[in-house]
Formats: sequence, C-alpha cells, structure tokens
Amino acid sequence: DQQVKQNSPSLSVQEGRISILNCDYTNSMFDYFLWYKKYPAEGPTFLISISSIKDKNEDGRFTVFLNKSAKHLSLHIVPSQPGDSAVYFCAASDNSGGSNYKLTFGKGTLLTVNP
Amino acid sequence: DAGVIQSPRHEVTEMGQEVTLRCKPISGHDYLFWYRQTMMRGLELLIYFNNNVPIDDSGMPEDRFSAKMPNASFSTLKIQPSEPRDSAVYFCASSQLGIGQETQYFGPGTRLLVL
Repeated sequence: DQQVKQNSPSLSVQEGRISILNCDYTNSMFDYFLWYKKYPAEGPTFLISISSIKDKNEDGRFTVFLNKSAKHLSLHIVPSQPGDSAVYFCAASDNSGGSNYKLTFGKGTLLTVNP
Repeated sequence: DAGVIQSPRHEVTEMGQEVTLRCKPISGHDYLFWYRQTMMRGLELLIYFNNNVPIDDSGMPEDRFSAKMPNASFSTLKIQPSEPRDSAVYFCASSQLGIGQETQYFGPGTRLLVL
C-alpha cells in the first residue's frame, strides 16, 4: 500500500518555464511534508518542506503548495533551469504520536529541463 | 561538517557472502536511518536509531539483515548471507532533534550488487 504517490514518473520542461511536480498521499495523519532532490550517484538532498498548518511555503524559485482536503501537494519551480534536472521525491511524516520521525517517500519524478 | 559518510560506495559480492555497509552520521545528530532504494519499491526505510538505540526495525526485510550503532558516530548494516535480490542502493541518513527535526540528511549511498 503506497501511502505517498507520485504518479508522473517523468516531466520535461523548457528552461525558463514553470515546472510543477505533484504528489498525493492517503494517510490523513501525515502532518509534515518534504521535497528532496536527487542527482545520479548522490544521496537525496533536502529542498523544501511544509507543515500541515500551512498551505504554502516559498524559498526562492521553489514553492510548495499543500491542499489538505485533497491530500495533495505540489512543488513549483520558477523559472526552471537546466541544473534543476534531477529526480524529485515527495516525503511525508506523521508526528502525531510525539516522537515518530519516519519519512514515507514517493517513488520520485524525473525532471528534465531542456535548454 | 563533511555530511553523512558511507562506505564502501560500491560493493560487488557473490551470493551467500556477508556484506557490511558502514555509516558515519553528521556530528551531533540524534537520529540515524537506513534506507534501501530499488526500482520496484522506491526508497524504503529499513531501520532507525535514536541516541544509538534501535527504535523501529519493522522495515528490515528478514533475519538476514541486521543493524547496529555501537556509538554516536558509527553504524553498520549487515546482510548475511546475501542474495541477488538484495541488490540495491543503500542510503544512510541522519537528523537532529529540535526545529526541523523531520529533515533528514542523506549520505551518497552504497550501490550493492549481489551476483
């Protein structure tokens, strides 16, 4: 049972345009969400996160939107750059129990930004 | 800080052999996580430690897998005996209790191939 789903295995956009990566989750107990970026032969690196008490968080070119009622979040990259080409993972955690720091990951979306 | 360090980066072994993967977390981090990444299952959590104590090993696939954390700066993941289906990339990650504690920092991974 996949609790975090990234239904698009790949996405291709032109440099300078907006990239939108989507993520859906099924566990209503998830209260913290993160996006990680991964280059080949490297470990995932933290990109941006959002708590369930917010619906938007912005950091430079990256914005994460959270729609709790739809159990959906998205990552917007504007403008997209060739260096953004990587696999993007959505992750979620349930901290309602007080001390649970497990992350559940989606399977990732390969973003290719064409010059 | 050098970040999370993993060794070896690549390991090729034959079925039935013992494999030991090593991890040095970021200094001062309280949590250490072991993940496995495969095409079929994506990134899945195997086990995590808090202050060197195993907290949740429900993701460990079977008794052939074991993990230890003898001190705050070192952890091992051992597979004995190894099987071809264990071939995957194994990541170690660490995080720090407090604000942003959900953010995990990943090592570069160990790519394991069992022939």
